[in-house]
Amino acid sequence: AQSVSQHNHHVILSEAASLELGCNYSYGGTVNLFWYVQYPGQHLQLLLKYFSGDPLVKGIKGFEAEFIKSKFSFNLRKPSVQWSDTAEYFCAVNRGYGGSQGNLIFGKGTKLSVKP
Amino acid sequence: SAVISQKPSRDICQRGTSLTIQCQVDSQVTMMFWYRQQPGQSLTLIATANQGSEATYESGFVIDKFPISRPNLTFSTLTVSNMSPEDSSIYLCSVDKNLNTEAFFGQGTRLTVV
Repeated sequence: AQSVSQHNHHVILSEAASLELGCNYSYGGTVNLFWYVQYPGQHLQLLLKYFSGDPLVKGIKGFEAEFIKSKFSFNLRKPSVQWSDTAEYFCAVNRGYGGSQGNLIFGKGTKLSVKP
Repeated sequence: SAVISQKPSRDICQRGTSLTIQCQVDSQVTMMFWYRQQPGQSLTLIATANQGSEATYESGFVIDKFPISRPNLTFSTLTVSNMSPEDSSIYLCSVDKNLNTEAFFGQGTRLTVV
């Protein structure tokens, strides 16, 4: 069965530290990959996505992610985090059929706490 | 983008009762999705709801427990029937406006069953 693994449950960083959140998926076919973020009290929103092309994708708020097909990975990075990045981050993979991006498989999420 | 409103935002219910969650979208969408997020777990797709047809349920979810309505292109409901404490979760509505775009999510309904 398809699955998505996020390696860290809770990450605590100081402001200006660099961030890398790991995400691995298990699916041998074509995939579309997403990182969603949920700020406290808000709904899930898209940070960035990969469909095809350049495997290094840039998203909002200075986040980027690199798709490494050979490693089945899609790690999220940010060179310098801010207190406002405190949130929960979810990696997701689409099921790869029908073209719809709504049939998503999510990881368990990583809670990021940034200390001011 | 899409703006999704879910009601209620939270509820505390007695076991054995049912709760209907509403999802309203600000524009017409073909596909709507219902997810569940149990405490400490990832979001899990319950079913896909297309207007004019029966919902398609994922493995482990059945219509008798989670009946879904999709009367038009902007609205859907999910009912959690005969609730037990194990149904305590966050339930989220999601829509997909077009192929090859991202999905949009409502704020979720936090359900506690006592």
